[in-house]
Amino acid sequence: QKEVEQNSGPLSVPEGAIASLNCTYSDRGSQSFFWYRQYSGKSPELIMSIYSNGDKEDGRFTAQLNKASQYVSLLIRDSQPSDSATYLCAVNMITKAAGNKLTFGGGTRVLVKP
Amino acid sequence: DAGITQSPRYKITETGRQVTLMCHQTWSHSYMFWYRQDLGHGLRLIYYSAAADITDKGEVPDGYVVSRSKTENFPLTLESATRSQTSVYFCASSGGEDFQETQYFGPGTRLLVL
Repeated sequence: QKEVEQNSGPLSVPEGAIASLNCTYSDRGSQSFFWYRQYSGKSPELIMSIYSNGDKEDGRFTAQLNKASQYVSLLIRDSQPSDSATYLCAVNMITKAAGNKLTFGGGTRVLVKP
Repeated sequence: DAGITQSPRYKITETGRQVTLMCHQTWSHSYMFWYRQDLGHGLRLIYYSAAADITDKGEVPDGYVVSRSKTENFPLTLESATRSQTSVYFCASSGGEDFQETQYFGPGTRLLVL
């Protein structure tokens, strides 16, 4: 069983619609959850982090966390063609040796169609 | 502020050759990481380092060697390159152990082993 799982997609979304991305994780001790966006040929860049149950909003992005269900999601409102990218979910494990060590899901590819 | 840089950005080599990928960060971050990214596998941790002269294996360390003589540099060496090591390699850094610490990624090195 993978530690962090995401649907690989592609998730096709019309421009202006809401894109909903899901991520499940296996380690109940995880404390922090990150969403990275990765454009084709580029490196991952952080777009959201969430640490507590509930919703966290930042602009058009909303992260949702449910630790009981071991589930984190990302909503992209008013999707734009520029949101077309792969979105990586990352979950932490704190270790002395590695600090805030992250385990990444395989990513969900999002395509926003004009 | 250069942040985190990698060199070379692209490299073609032959099976059996030694290759070194460089990573340099200007933030004085304690933690540094090397990942490889392949289709179908997402980001996989190769090696990480908590400080100068402290390194440890990640998920896929075989065939790789790292060193960290200075805080800002974390080179990755492929001692005898194999075709299976064709991949995109990302270096990342993080400031500390706190669960809110984020990892920041370099631009990546695309390596092709013929």
